[in-house]
Amino acid sequence: DQQVKQNSPSLSVQEGRISILNCDYTNSMFDYFLWYKKYPAEGPTFLISISSIKDKNEDGRFTVFLNKSAKHLSLHIVPSQPGDSAVYFCAALYNFNKFYFGSGTKLNVKP
Amino acid sequence: DTGVSQDPRHKITKRGQNVTFRCDPISEHNRLYWYRQTLGQGPEFLTYFQNEAQLEKSRLLSDRFSAERPKGSFSTLEIQRTEQGDSAMYLCASSPPTDYEQYFGPGTRLTVT
Repeated sequence: DQQVKQNSPSLSVQEGRISILNCDYTNSMFDYFLWYKKYPAEGPTFLISISSIKDKNEDGRFTVFLNKSAKHLSLHIVPSQPGDSAVYFCAALYNFNKFYFGSGTKLNVKP
Repeated sequence: DTGVSQDPRHKITKRGQNVTFRCDPISEHNRLYWYRQTLGQGPEFLTYFQNEAQLEKSRLLSDRFSAERPKGSFSTLEIQRTEQGDSAMYLCASSPPTDYEQYFGPGTRLTVT
């Protein structure tokens, strides 16, 4: 049962523009949502998170939006940089002890 | 702080053999997680420890899989009688007591021939 879905396997964006990565989930009981970035041959690196009681969290170039009624999460990166090229995973925390990850979106930022 | 470390980084084994992986979390991180990741997929939850207690276990963790964290510090994941379907990247992550962000290790890539 895939409770967290990232329906876009890849995204290509021009440097300086906005990157928008999307994530949908099915379980309304998730407590917390997180975004991770992964480079080849490395483990995922935490980027930004949001509690289920909030609808926006911002950290520098990264902003996460949560739409609970739509069960939808998005990550905005502005402005996008070539170093942002990586695979991005969204994750959801259930019962404060179990994480569900999406299948990832590969972002390519073109110079 | 050197981050989460995993050993070995790569393991090739023959079907039917047992393998054991080790994870050393960031010191003072009381929460530790194991995941399995296959190509094109996100990390798949296997198990969760808070200190030495195993509090959550996925149905994916069949009776051939066992994990321990005996003193609440490092953890081991053992796979008995390996099968070709066990070939994957095994990731370990740890979290501090006051937050839910996870710090991942580089993973152990298992190949079962």
